[in-house]
Amino acid sequence: QVQLKESGPVLVQASETLSLTCTVSGFSLTNYGVIWVRQPPGKGLEWMGIIWRNGNTDYNSALKSRLSINRDTSKSQVFLKMNSLQTDDTAIYYCTRDWRYWGQGVMVTVSS
Amino acid sequence: DVVMTQTPLSLPISLGDQASFSCRSSQSLLHSNGNTYLAWYLQKSGLSPQILIYRISNRFSGVPDRFSGSGSGTDFTLKISRVEPEDLGVYYCLQHTHLPYTFGAGTKLELK
Repeated sequence: QVQLKESGPVLVQASETLSLTCTVSGFSLTNYGVIWVRQPPGKGLEWMGIIWRNGNTDYNSALKSRLSINRDTSKSQVFLKMNSLQTDDTAIYYCTRDWRYWGQGVMVTVSS
Repeated sequence: DVVMTQTPLSLPISLGDQASFSCRSSQSLLHSNGNTYLAWYLQKSGLSPQILIYRISNRFSGVPDRFSGSGSGTDFTLKISRVEPEDLGVYYCLQHTHLPYTFGAGTKLELK
């Protein structure tokens, strides 16, 4: 069955770079895109970006200068990197396939 | 950016009642391919969002038929015919017609 799982550090220092991995199973990254979404504590959902099945990417313009999404299709992994972290980047980070299948999320705290 | 406006912010309800959620977009969500990419989610406390409805009115696999979606263009509605205890939580609408993809702020369904 379709599964996605986010992994990465739970605590990051301000000004540093966040690196998260979304490991997928039950489908191929060459057939489906993967989307990243985040949710600050107690707040709503924000679309961050997408890597399409052909490997192209689109980003939220508010994050574009700091964000990159890549993948390793042989490992069924999608990578999110975001630099110059600030405390308001503290959030649960989710990956999702076609908006229907979601990972459990990973809570990332940015410490000043 | 497309702004998604959800009303009400909070919906106090009794079990067994009907619930209705509104989501309005700042521009039409009709894609050039003829599809309208409007989805509804329920997020229970501490869990990932779970998809209920995609493309306005299509129930995702396993979603009970007490959930129904309708609308077109810029005006969309989610209805629950008889609210059950497991339906409590925050409901979000999402548009993924126009980049950047955007969510509504959510409507919290809670007991009176």
